[in-house]
Amino acid sequence: GAVVSQHPSRVICKSGTSVKIECRSLDFQATTMFWYRQFPKQSLMLMATSNEGSKATYEQGVEKDKFLINHASLTLSTLTVASAHPEDSSFYICSARALSRETQYFGPGTRLLVL
Amino acid sequence: AQTVTQSQPEMSVQEAETVTLSCTYDTSESDYYLFWYKQPPSRQMILVIRQEAYKQQNATENRFSVNFQKAAKSFSLKISDSQLGDAAMYFCAYRRDNAGNMLTFGGGTRLMVKP
Repeated sequence: GAVVSQHPSRVICKSGTSVKIECRSLDFQATTMFWYRQFPKQSLMLMATSNEGSKATYEQGVEKDKFLINHASLTLSTLTVASAHPEDSSFYICSARALSRETQYFGPGTRLLVL
Repeated sequence: AQTVTQSQPEMSVQEAETVTLSCTYDTSESDYYLFWYKQPPSRQMILVIRQEAYKQQNATENRFSVNFQKAAKSFSLKISDSQLGDAAMYFCAYRRDNAGNMLTFGGGTRLMVKP
């Protein structure tokens, strides 16, 4: 199956710093990438959808100035948490989908802890 | 808006036995896809099985099968011959069509497998 990687897998940072998370499709071109957030013992909640070369579409309640998404190429999307605060601590998961495929492939996730 | 409901927060099954996880959804669309994803302790999302709404035949993947009742908007997952490695969170998900739309997840069911 298709492979999606995320980096870093875990990050601990101080409050007020910015954190960048990378999502890469390793063996296919991802025309669409999705960013999810998952709190402990809860389901995945979609934050935003990004299409290569265009601005991301954010879900209601997600601050686009805080969660900056860039999908600059067909294999890379980045999520930057700007000025992170403890309430941003969560598990962030990306998924990628090629135009020709019916399935989304998920990355392994990034655990963010803001102190 | 589409909603996906998993009414069983936790389920338990004896090893080698069969268990059924429930999922209902609400939509006004006629064309859509339904999925079951597994999230083990590693938190990597793994696709278990997929069902196209236009297909009447229930999808099957080895020990995993679904009971898709379109009129009732029900999509249950049956796991036969349960194995210890099946222990995980299971999420039911809905996608409107095959045009890149995002997944809507249910709240999840934690499956425990007793040896």
